[in-house]
Amino acid sequence: DQQVKQNSPSLSVQEGRISILNCDYTNSMFDYFLWYKKYPAEGPTFLISISSIKDKNEDGRFTVFLNKSAKHLSLHIVPSQPGDSAVYFCAAAAGGTSYGKLTFGQGTILTVHP
Amino acid sequence: GAVVSQHPSWVICKSGTSVKIECRSLDFQATTMFWYRQFPKQSLMLMATSNEGSKATYEQGVEKDKFLINHASLTLSTLTVTSAHPEDSSFYICSALNPGLADLTTRGEQFFGPGTRLTVL
Repeated sequence: DQQVKQNSPSLSVQEGRISILNCDYTNSMFDYFLWYKKYPAEGPTFLISISSIKDKNEDGRFTVFLNKSAKHLSLHIVPSQPGDSAVYFCAAAAGGTSYGKLTFGQGTILTVHP
Repeated sequence: GAVVSQHPSWVICKSGTSVKIECRSLDFQATTMFWYRQFPKQSLMLMATSNEGSKATYEQGVEKDKFLINHASLTLSTLTVTSAHPEDSSFYICSALNPGLADLTTRGEQFFGPGTRLTVL
């Protein structure tokens, strides 16, 4: 049972335009959501996160939106740059004794063309 | 920063042999480390939580006797795949929690190693 889903395996965007990566989840116990960026042969790198008490969090070019009722979140990258090309993973976490345990989506390969 | 290393980065072994993978936090002490595995084009799946000085806790469906985890010090956790079979071939990634950088508003204190590619022939 895939509790966190990224339904788009890949996304191609022109440099300077907006990249929107989507993520859906099913477990209502998740209260924290994170986005990671991963290059080949490297581990995931933390990008941005959002708590379930918020609906938006912004950090520079990256903004994450959370729609709790729809159990959906998205990552917006504006403007997109060729260096943003990587695999992006959405992850979810629950609190309590599950602290630190992350449930990942399948990842979306983002390609930003010059 | 917080750096996590893994060794080896890739390993090829024969079926039936055991393979040990090391995960080290290089510039911080990690009381908790996690082990994940990733199959091609799939998500990272949490296998177990490794706590320094105590037994690891395994996720449902993960055989603890097959995937031995030892967290002997605050900077080292090891995963041993015992009697490896071709179906164990996968990408294994560890992560470590750095409480010194913990920011509970971001939860960005978990740092990942580069991963180990295991191929069992």
